[in-house]
Amino acid sequence: DVKVTQSSRYLVKRTGEKVFLECVQDMDHENMFWYRQDPGLGLRLIYFSYDVKMKEKGDIPEGYSVSREKKERFSLILESASTNQTSMYLCASSLGGGSGELFFGEGSRLTVL
Amino acid sequence: RKEVEQDPGPFNVPEGATVAFNCTYSNSASQSFFWYRQDCRKEPKLLMSVYSSGNEDGRFTAQLNRASQYISLLIRDSKLSDSATYLCVVNLLSNTGKLIFGQGTTLQVKP
Repeated sequence: DVKVTQSSRYLVKRTGEKVFLECVQDMDHENMFWYRQDPGLGLRLIYFSYDVKMKEKGDIPEGYSVSREKKERFSLILESASTNQTSMYLCASSLGGGSGELFFGEGSRLTVL
Repeated sequence: RKEVEQDPGPFNVPEGATVAFNCTYSNSASQSFFWYRQDCRKEPKLLMSVYSSGNEDGRFTAQLNRASQYISLLIRDSKLSDSATYLCVVNLLSNTGKLIFGQGTTLQVKP
């Protein structure tokens, strides 16, 4: 069965802390994505990656960075967390070729105090 | 203007009703289109793709109007289990996996 696993379901961090959100997929997918979801704004793309060590900025990359050292793992990094980064973060993966089917993890709800 | 726009609702309908959602997209170069479903506190999951000729999956029918740049989803004979948020999704380029999501339309089906 298809599986995207996010390391933490709930996190509480303080302003200025460095935050790592980890995502692992077991489907050998080329594409991986990080979205954040906020009420009234829907899902917004932060970063995505088509291949190992490759990354592309999405629509709202400011304040975030990513790392993809292995095909199955895509990490989202908040170098210095701020309160406006309190959100639900969703990782997803898909096959190459724009098939349209994204497989999402269960999400990581981050609260920055 | 948002790239993908949906009426957020909520749409409150009785069981057995037929309900339709529309979605508009701004980029005429959009290549492929989808409806995703998201249950409360869960991740989104693909409901169905949307084809130019229209397509049906059981009680669900999806339509695409490229000239007017809108997509629709029709649900017939609504069930309580259809209560969810329905996300309209657009792929701008066919050779990438980058999808643009609408903010979603919430459906509540009541007994």
